[in-house]
Amino acid sequence: GIQVEQSPPDLILQEGANSTLRCNFSDSVNNLQWFHQNPWGQLINLFYIPSGTKQNGRLSATTVATERYSLLYISSSQTTDSGVYFCAAYNFNKFYFGSGTKLNVKP
Amino acid sequence: NAGVTQTPKFRVLKTGQSMTLLCAQDMNHEYMYWYRQDPGMGLRLIHYSVGEGTTAKGEVPDGYNVSRLKKQNFLLGLESAAPSQTSVYFCASREGLPSQPQHFGDGTRLSIL
Repeated sequence: GIQVEQSPPDLILQEGANSTLRCNFSDSVNNLQWFHQNPWGQLINLFYIPSGTKQNGRLSATTVATERYSLLYISSSQTTDSGVYFCAAYNFNKFYFGSGTKLNVKP
Repeated sequence: NAGVTQTPKFRVLKTGQSMTLLCAQDMNHEYMYWYRQDPGMGLRLIHYSVGEGTTAKGEVPDGYNVSRLKKQNFLLGLESAAPSQTSVYFCASREGLPSQPQHFGDGTRLSIL
């Protein structure tokens, strides 16, 4: 299967700061999905992005499929952004998850 | 519109007991997935289904069985529970096109003593 690596594993930010999370994948993929797992354990879809750039409010994502990586940008972070961010690479009907980036935004 | 509903939300079992986790979706999605999430890790795929009556193995299928008798339901069974199966189990569904994302249930927290 596809190996997915996320970095950094842990990140502490002061409220208002910006951050970039990275997701590398080992093989060609049909699609790439970003999730936020909130402190209650719920998984929330952020982006489904096989290539290019998408933006949703303070969050944006860029996938460079030819170089096998995706980036998630969080601008003007808020305490509600805390949680774990996962990326998942999709190929041949299956999703392969990274181990996540645990984000703690302090007030 | 409930989305993806998992039943039960919590369960404690003794080693050797059996149980079935139910996942129901009301979005008419073709694909359904069962994952497990262990502390500090991402989700790992147990089994999945690409349509009613079909199932396939994921990364960690041993010790689990699944059935998809109806399009809206995907059942995960543990025939003889083991402590190593203590985990949080997530179900997801999606439409059949590669461009469509997964939608997740809220999870089932399962402890096996």
